[in-house]
Parts: sequence; C-alpha cells; structure tokens
Amino acid sequence: KAGVTQTPRYLIKTRGQQVTLSCSPISGHRSVSWYQQTPGQGLQFLFEYFSETQRNKGNFPGRFSGRQFSNSRSEMNVSTLELGDSALYLCASSLADSEAGELFFGEGSRLTVL
Amino acid sequence: GQQVMQIPQYQHVQEGEDFTTYCNSSTTLSNIQWYKQRPGGHPVFLIQLVKSGEVKKQKRLTFQFGEAKKNSSLHITATQTTDVGTYFCAGPRGNKLVFGAGTILRVKS
Repeated sequence: KAGVTQTPRYLIKTRGQQVTLSCSPISGHRSVSWYQQTPGQGLQFLFEYFSETQRNKGNFPGRFSGRQFSNSRSEMNVSTLELGDSALYLCASSLADSEAGELFFGEGSRLTVL
Repeated sequence: GQQVMQIPQYQHVQEGEDFTTYCNSSTTLSNIQWYKQRPGGHPVFLIQLVKSGEVKKQKRLTFQFGEAKKNSSLHITATQTTDVGTYFCAGPRGNKLVFGAGTILRVKS
C-alpha cells in the first residue's frame, strides 16, 4: 500500500509569489490534515479536510488556503509569500472520520522563501 | 483552547542512559498519541493510549497515560543511537490533532 505522497519535495520561491502544494493520501483515507513545521514553532495545524469539506482551520492568515478533491487528494496554497513562510509543510492522512486518530505523514514539502 | 505542553525541549544523553519526556494537557484528553521524527524525516506514529492510568510497552519504550487523562510520559530505557530524533505527544481536539512542541533527543556514543 502506497504511503502519503507530497509534491514537490523542495521548492524555492521569492517574496510575493504564490505556491501550491499537493498531497495524495493513503488509499481509503478520507481525512487529510496539513501542518507547518518550523524549528521554533513545532508542528502547527493549518487545516483538516474530510470528504471535500474543511472541518477545522488553524490560526493562520487567509493567505493560506486549501481544498480537497473527490478522490481525497488535497492541495494547499499560500499566496503573497513572506520570508516567514519558509518551513516544512507536512500532509497527513487518516482513516478516522470523527475524532482525530492515528496520522500517517508524508515526507513533506520544504519551502524556502527568498 | 486546548494546549499540549511538552518538556524537556532538548535532552542529550550518553548511550545506555535512560530518557523521559513528559506531556501535559490543559484539558482532559480522550486519548494521547506519540510520534517520533528522525532527523530529516517526517513524524511516525508510535502508539495511542486511551484508558486512564494505561501503561504500554514497546521493547525499551514505556508509555504512560495519567489517571486524570491530562498527562503522559514516554520513557526509554538504555538509549541507543537509533533512538535519536524528536518525540512528540499529541492530543485530539475534535477532528484535529494538537501536537506538543516535541523533545529533541541526542545520544552520545
């Protein structure tokens, strides 16, 4: 069974640009969560999707958005990039349809903003 | 909102020494999960504890869930170099999982 796949793995952008990250969950998993990981802030929750609906959103500005498709694949978008957006963006999928259960993480997309 | 605090932030031990990381929640948790992230890797699920006072073991790792279901600990006996990484606890808040800041473990051989 394939794991969670995230693309691209690495990317470099400049301030003001926008970026789209993609996540393919484990087959059969309908819940997809996104986290931002930085050395000083740990794992910060961005949002969670289930069956194409955003069920939870973290405390990030509106520049951060996401969506989920009918095949459970998910994308997140960051517009008007700032230097502080440099981070590892982790996607995780889960079987749980109610309370958060075991998360299976992808390898992440490492974004550098110059 | 619910917060999950984890201490210590960092620990450097000699190979063979024991290691413990502690997790405290501001609210009662229905369960607590532990993850390990190797340097350069991604978090990997270790275990989930559900019952009050529960203790589970995985080889040299011992996990405990407090009686009040607000705190938890992970203890590693006789650390090895393969134990290096960051250990996170996490508690559910509805559909989202709230992570502690993690404890970075370094093992000196």
